[in-house]
Amino acid sequence: GAGVSQSPRYKVAKRGQDVALRCDPISGHVSLFWYQQALGQGPEFLTYFQNEAQLDKSGLPSDRFFAERPEGSVSTLKIQRTQQEDSAVYLCASSLGQGPTYFGPGTRLLVL
Amino acid sequence: DAKTTQPTSMDCAEGRAANLPCNHSTISGNEYVYWYRQIHSQGPQYIIHGLKNNETNEMASLIITEDRKSSTLILPHATLRDTAVYYCIVTSETGANNLFFGTGTRLTVIP
Repeated sequence: GAGVSQSPRYKVAKRGQDVALRCDPISGHVSLFWYQQALGQGPEFLTYFQNEAQLDKSGLPSDRFFAERPEGSVSTLKIQRTQQEDSAVYLCASSLGQGPTYFGPGTRLLVL
Repeated sequence: DAKTTQPTSMDCAEGRAANLPCNHSTISGNEYVYWYRQIHSQGPQYIIHGLKNNETNEMASLIITEDRKSSTLILPHATLRDTAVYYCIVTSETGANNLFFGTGTRLTVIP
């Protein structure tokens, strides 16, 4: 069956630009997560949704990062006024609420 | 969630069993042991998980010690495509199971 999909797969932005990253979770999965992975590091938690409710945003590095999931399905991670330190792979993941979490392929963001 | 300790890297000959250890001495009673792997340029892939019993699926086996303070992931016949970073993660079985990945073990399967 279809897994978690993310778009775009690659994004190059100039410093100061806003970007929006999209995640389509597995159908029926109530839990959705965003992670950030810097080069050579393990993924780090950013934020968590249960359906449309954002229950944990403790991992968002600054108020330039904003995530939404308005209808409890597709989610968008928005980064405003991008900085070079935002360059990373952004991973989306979903789960049924218990059991394994399934990850998408990630969006590789490069800020110049 | 309890933290885990894994070796930084391991090598394994193609066709042999790969045994990846993980220490989780502070694991609590309601926490599960999960294993994920990440092949270069891909998202993490779920492998297997367990609470206290040994588990086996089509990808791997998970052996958890009786005191649950350590576990071993076994890939019975490693192939070149098993070269990846393997993460051992301890987490409670709740809806908000955000995962702490750490640095994992880089497994290199050698032809």
